[in-house]
Amino acid sequence: KQEVTQIPAALSVPEGENLVLNCSFTDSAIYNLQWFRQDPGKGLTSLLLIQSSQREQTSGRLNASLDKSSGRSTLYIAASQPGDSATYLCAVPPIKAAGNKLTFGGGTRVLVKP
Amino acid sequence: DAGVTQSPTHLIKTRGQQVTLRCSPKSGHDTVSWYQQALGQGPQFIFQYYEEEERQRGNFPDRFSGHQFPNYSSELNVNALLLGDSALYLCASSLRQSYSNQPQHFGDGTRLSIL
Repeated sequence: KQEVTQIPAALSVPEGENLVLNCSFTDSAIYNLQWFRQDPGKGLTSLLLIQSSQREQTSGRLNASLDKSSGRSTLYIAASQPGDSATYLCAVPPIKAAGNKLTFGGGTRVLVKP
Repeated sequence: DAGVTQSPTHLIKTRGQQVTLRCSPKSGHDTVSWYQQALGQGPQFIFQYYEEEERQRGNFPDRFSGHQFPNYSSELNVNALLLGDSALYLCASSLRQSYSNQPQHFGDGTRLSIL
């Protein structure tokens, strides 16, 4: 059974500092790994999707890495801004299961202080 | 291009009642998945519908059932509501043939509160 863990559960940084969010998974047989952002009381917004064959994916100030062999992904957010305050979730669809059921981590709640 | 839409946004029910939540997928998507998200936790997969059939199911009791219509929209039904069913219910849509390399799109969810 796939298990996804995100540590830390919460993070507080001053504006301008780089953010490093961690995600680990137990089963490396995955199609891809997805990072989402969730604002309070809202749905999930897709940030980045890394294919299982990729090592890295970038979008603006966001960079995500994937190391399947060690079961880890890291999301980097450069020069954090107060608007980056949200909960960040990682999720994987396992190859062993048909379809694209996602297994989520518990999320990291980020607060960027002005 | 409309994204995933869910209705209603909020709902208050009492224990033992039944509830129906609705979801319209993003234009062009044919697969709908439902997730339950308790406060402070990550979403948990309930089930997935494709071609009007339930294709995958998570670890949820039979009180949770669903339906997909020919226009790909979907409903989630929960019977005999329990206090523990209070959560944010999220709908996600995707295109089945490209699920391995395309992200799922989520709606804003329905906040269900059980009194």
